[in-house]
Amino acid sequence: EVQLVESGGGLIQPGGSLRLSCAASGLIVSSNYMSWVRQAPGKGLEWVSVIYGDGTTYYADSVKGRFTISRDNSKNTLSLQMNSLRAEDTAVYYCARDRIGYCSGGRCFGGDAIDVWGQGTQVTVSS
Amino acid sequence: SHVLTQPPSVSVAPGQTAKIACGGNNIGRDSVHWYQQKPGQAPVLVVYDDSDRPSGIPERFSGSNSGNTATLTISGVVAGDEADYYCQVWDSSSEHYVFGTGTKVTVL
Repeated sequence: EVQLVESGGGLIQPGGSLRLSCAASGLIVSSNYMSWVRQAPGKGLEWVSVIYGDGTTYYADSVKGRFTISRDNSKNTLSLQMNSLRAEDTAVYYCARDRIGYCSGGRCFGGDAIDVWGQGTQVTVSS
Repeated sequence: SHVLTQPPSVSVAPGQTAKIACGGNNIGRDSVHWYQQKPGQAPVLVVYDDSDRPSGIPERFSGSNSGNTATLTISGVVAGDEADYYCQVWDSSSEHYVFGTGTKVTVL
């Protein structure tokens, strides 16, 4: 069974840092396009960041320069380092896998639907 | 960049058909995907590539895409279909995922 399990959320003061983790089973993180997607209270889905199989990363403008996506191939985990947190970063953060994204022969192919989601972890930024 | 606009809410009686629009400039040129999200749960993919269904998704869910509007259609709506629905595309120019504004479907 394919499964993603997030951890690391919590209450943090504005300006602080937090690191989220996502443990994957049934899939290989390094072979997929892996993303973080967040949802603020009562709001819609917002894509945050993606890491490709070749290590290429992209970020939403709202988090660029503050958040860093990475992975640990030996542990098959995905991470999101969040620095300089703001109240507007308060959200449930989901770890997610692209349905077809992969890299081969120096090229990456993907950017499709997200077919696997974790259960989410709550991040609250408040003093 | 893409902006995807959905109606905030759609109401439908049980057994009837719900249509959820997703508007975007020339969205017909993109592959559109749809997600269902129930309160307190993670989103679930219900339609991908405009009109394909993942395994386990009822045939009641279908999609279409043309021009400036993509549409998710739920036929024979049941109480369990009450949820928020989001459309999504891939913006290849910025390599970003773009989600629609979301539609709350209420079953009367």
